[in-house]
Amino acid sequence: QQKVQQSPESLSVPEGGMASLNCTSSDRNFQYFWWYRQHSGEGPKALMSIFSDGDKKEGRFTAHLNKASLHVSLHIRDSQPSDSALYFCAAIYNYAQGLTFGLGTRVSVFP
Amino acid sequence: NAGVIQTPRHKVTGKGQEATLWCEPISGHSAVFWYRQTIVQGLEFLTYFRNQAPIDDSGMPKERFSAQMPNQSHSTLKIQSTQPQDSAVYLCASSLGDWGVEQYFGPGTRLTVL
Repeated sequence: QQKVQQSPESLSVPEGGMASLNCTSSDRNFQYFWWYRQHSGEGPKALMSIFSDGDKKEGRFTAHLNKASLHVSLHIRDSQPSDSALYFCAAIYNYAQGLTFGLGTRVSVFP
Repeated sequence: NAGVIQTPRHKVTGKGQEATLWCEPISGHSAVFWYRQTIVQGLEFLTYFRNQAPIDDSGMPKERFSAQMPNQSHSTLKIQSTQPQDSAVYLCASSLGDWGVEQYFGPGTRLTVL
């Protein structure tokens, strides 16, 4: 079982709409969560990190962390075609052992 | 700033051959990471260097995989006796320091083992 689980696997959103992605850790001992985005043929690019309970907003992106439920979400407001990509949630459990990624959510924004 | 550079972008090898993948981190970054990406397993951590010193290789298959960082401007991942299951995209990332900071990924090397 994946230590970091993401849902849904895929998501279709109308242009201008809201996309909501979910991520849950099976291990309570995380240090940080990161959200990364990967366009086809490119490496992942960081969107934002979060480590405190509550919301963190960066432009059209808002992350929400609930440590008690080990759940983090990412909301994309006013979705654009350029937001169509694979979105990864990644957790840091141990500073010497790398990022642990979920399997990703594929977001498609349609006109 | 050209970002993290990985070469080659694509490599095809025959089963049993050796493959060497190259990574040039962003200048000034002290940490270099290697990951492997497949459809089934997703993104998996392989190994990590800090200031050229190997820190953790807990994700590396022990027998045929090795990584080095001979100087601050490049790192290599070597796979000996490649097998079809080694087919994947190998990603290199660098960061300014500890795990709390952003990792910058290269475009990856797609390795295909026939």
